[in-house]
Amino acid sequence: ETGVTQTPRHLVMGMTNKKSLKCEQHLGHNAMYWYKQSAKKPLELMFVYSLEERVENNSVPSRFSPECPNSSHLFLHLHTLQPEDSALYLCASSQAKGQGYTFGSGTRLTVV
Amino acid sequence: KNEVEQSPQNLTAQEGEFITINCSYSVGISALHWLQQHPGGGIVSLFMLSSGKKKHGRLIATINIQEKHSSLHITASHPRDSAVYICAVMKTSYDKVIFGPGTSLSVIP
Repeated sequence: ETGVTQTPRHLVMGMTNKKSLKCEQHLGHNAMYWYKQSAKKPLELMFVYSLEERVENNSVPSRFSPECPNSSHLFLHLHTLQPEDSALYLCASSQAKGQGYTFGSGTRLTVV
Repeated sequence: KNEVEQSPQNLTAQEGEFITINCSYSVGISALHWLQQHPGGGIVSLFMLSSGKKKHGRLIATINIQEKHSSLHITASHPRDSAVYICAVMKTSYDKVIFGPGTSLSVIP
């Protein structure tokens, strides 16, 4: 365990489903991130939260909705996804934005 | 042209070999990260560099800011080093991280 815990590890959902990914860290970090990794593509930054405030949103479709209720928890709410959204979703945290990252193990999402 | 490139794309080595993975970038940066991703997806941050050289165990990372180039070296490679190694840079103009495509390393016993 790295200190950043993601659940679930695997998720299969239909295109009409609503689900949420959860990320939790108790490292005392102030910044949290969602990344997407599709097959054969580099990691893509989706959202950045710093001190619970969303500071970056990289043109992510509205079917992905992040939530950061406190500095230790980060959610990614999913609804009406497309098959091309199937990917590994990684959460990371850092002491401050841009400093050394600690990554979670990821959630492998399959949209059917 | 990608802003961050890595070479080689794939690398197979015999156990014990000295390995070098290269990263070149075309933007101004404030820091560069080397990450290790194991099969299954988990990512570990190996180094964060802004100048010079860092060493941790059998891993050494160097960066040349003027040449916009960084290398990750693995000495006495071992099968457990098999993973994808990712270079990521933080742009100075905007606090944004750009990831390289990764280098897939396989170390054979």
